Amino acid sequence: EVQLLESGGGLVQPGGSLRLSCAASGFTFSSYAMSWVRQPPGKGLEWVSTFNAGSGSTYYADSVKGRFTISRENSRSTLYLQMNSLRAEDTAVYYCAKLDGYNFHDFFDYWGQGTLVTVSS
Amino acid sequence: DIQMTQSPSTLSASVGDRVTITCRASQNIRTWLAWYQQKPGKAPKLLIYKASSLESGVPSRFGGSGSGTDFTLSISGLQPDDFATYYCQQYNTYPTFGQGTKVEIK
Repeated sequence: EVQLLESGGGLVQPGGSLRLSCAASGFTFSSYAMSWVRQPPGKGLEWVSTFNAGSGSTYYADSVKGRFTISRENSRSTLYLQMNSLRAEDTAVYYCAKLDGYNFHDFFDYWGQGTLVTVSS
Repeated sequence: DIQMTQSPSTLSASVGDRVTITCRASQNIRTWLAWYQQKPGKAPKLLIYKASSLESGVPSRFGGSGSGTDFTLSISGLQPDDFATYYCQQYNTYPTFGQGTKVEIK
């Protein structure tokens, strides 16, 4: 059974940093692209970033480019999101999601339960 | 970026109804489209991929169709468990989602 378990969310001041983690199990982690998708309170879904399998290529939404860094540790089956220079508009539930294939050109077949990030003074 | 526009934003229906949600892409995405169901406080759940392929374990009352720029999600015989918000998502390029359609009880 595929499981994705996010952690690391919390309250942070504007301009601060936070690192999210996603522990994966139930599939061969290194063979699949992985993403972060966020959802501001009461709003819709927004793709944040994807890390391809194999090639190591990474992709970011314009709204986070230069501030967020996605990484993965295949030996630990773990995905990360380092978030710097956080803004109020980054407040959201952050979901870790597995893609069905090895690159961003695919759909999300499994999602974690999400972790809430609140940026406020 | 490819913009995805869903309609309606809210849909009121009764148990047993057939409902249809539409999703329009701002450019041709062939059949690179997925549909998700989300309930309050829960993660999205994949229903349909490649516009019309039913994800394993999803009831057959859910169906998807379309190609190019116009797509539909249909639910035939709405069940109490189906009252939720539905999102379309294109994966022809960097992923983008529709704004969501809330299916509520009439």
